[in-house]
Amino acid sequence: AQSVTQLGSHVSVSEGALVLLRCNYSSSVPPYLFWYVQYPNQGLQLLLKYTSAATLVKGINGFEAEFKKSETSFHLTKPSAHMSDAAEYFCAVSDQGGKLIFGQGTELSVKP
Amino acid sequence: DVKVTQSSRYLVKRTGEKVFLECVQDMDHENMFWYRQDPGLGLRLIYFSYDVKMKEKGDIPEGYSVSREKKERFSLILESASTNQTSMYLCASSFHGGGGEKLFFGSGTQLSVL
Repeated sequence: AQSVTQLGSHVSVSEGALVLLRCNYSSSVPPYLFWYVQYPNQGLQLLLKYTSAATLVKGINGFEAEFKKSETSFHLTKPSAHMSDAAEYFCAVSDQGGKLIFGQGTELSVKP
Repeated sequence: DVKVTQSSRYLVKRTGEKVFLECVQDMDHENMFWYRQDPGLGLRLIYFSYDVKMKEKGDIPEGYSVSREKKERFSLILESASTNQTSMYLCASSFHGGGGEKLFFGSGTQLSVL
């Protein structure tokens, strides 16, 4: 069975600092991996996805994630945090059928 | 733009009531999903459907049922609402491909069962 674990339910960074949100997955087949973001009172929107084309994936709003098979990880990073990045972030894994299994979520706070 | 529309943003129901949550998508997607979102638990899959009149159980189907009579509409039914079903419910849709398809989400329905 596939599963996702996000390390840290809350992460706080200062504006301009590096953002690192951790995600580890478990999958018996080559996975499809996703990061979604949820701004307050909104639905989820896709930040980026990995579908085996390249291990470093660039997404919207300056975010990127690196697929590391040996570590079963797909951590999300952004070099410089902005106040508008404050939101909840979800890592997810998908099978060939297309259903997504989500992690517990990480709430990112950005301090001025 | 793809639109996934959930009929209500906020809903308050009483214990034992039958509750219908409606979801409509306008992009001719084959796949539709219902998740519930709870703090600290992330999103958990309740039911999904890959085609009209077809449904599959997700990870937490107990206490729920679904209906998909038309391709664009996927309804979640709480046969007899209970307080532990108080939650945010999110509907999503996607194309049916070989995997890796993007899910499009609605804005969610916050259901309170009193």
